[in-house]
Amino acid sequence: QVQLVQSGAEVKKPGSSVKVSCTASGGTFSSYTINWVRQAPGQGLEWMGRIIFTLGITDYAQNFQGRVTITADKSTRTAYMELSSLRFDDTAVYYCARDTPGDWFDPWGQGTLVTVSS
Amino acid sequence: QSVLTQPPSVSGAPGQRVTISCTGSSSNIGAGYDVHWYQQLPGTAPKLLISGTSNRPSGVPDRFSGSKSGTSASLAITGLQPEDEAEYYCQSSDTTVSGRYVFGTGTKVTVL
Repeated sequence: QVQLVQSGAEVKKPGSSVKVSCTASGGTFSSYTINWVRQAPGQGLEWMGRIIFTLGITDYAQNFQGRVTITADKSTRTAYMELSSLRFDDTAVYYCARDTPGDWFDPWGQGTLVTVSS
Repeated sequence: QSVLTQPPSVSGAPGQRVTISCTGSSSNIGAGYDVHWYQQLPGTAPKLLISGTSNRPSGVPDRFSGSKSGTSASLAITGLQPEDEAEYYCQSSDTTVSGRYVFGTGTKVTVL
């Protein structure tokens, strides 16, 4: 049974960066591809990008190109999402989720609230 | 940024049938990609409800069903229960440069 556990809430100032972690346990490691999805307060889900764990290959949504960097540490089964040049409208809950060969997301991490405030 | 359109809300009495539509385009649902559905209870992470357009993962009640036709998909809840009150999102793949995966705008289901 795959489980994803994310790091805790963060408060950041505009213009700074945030790095959120997502640690995987269980399952077959070679099949991990971790996605990052965010949800602004009262809003819907927005796909940000993904990383294929074993190959280190990344794929980003155009909206976040140049501002987001997704990395992975195979030794600790941890994926990271770093978002730079933070703006007030980056305030959101950030989720990691594993995608499957069928392109659905399961399971999801518990979410990490990132608040951008001056 | 959502490219899949859902109705903002649907409602029904316990026991009734409700459906949620998910309208896409020729670059996602119409391109033949599967549609997946997620249920999100308040304050929690989304949970997979339907995979591969019409498959229920283990543990999902059979009152939930999914279908697809052309550039649209639907989620039906037959025999609505109070615990089904939640936000529902569709998701698919997309061929445009904007992003590999796209989500729907979300639908709030209210049990009257």
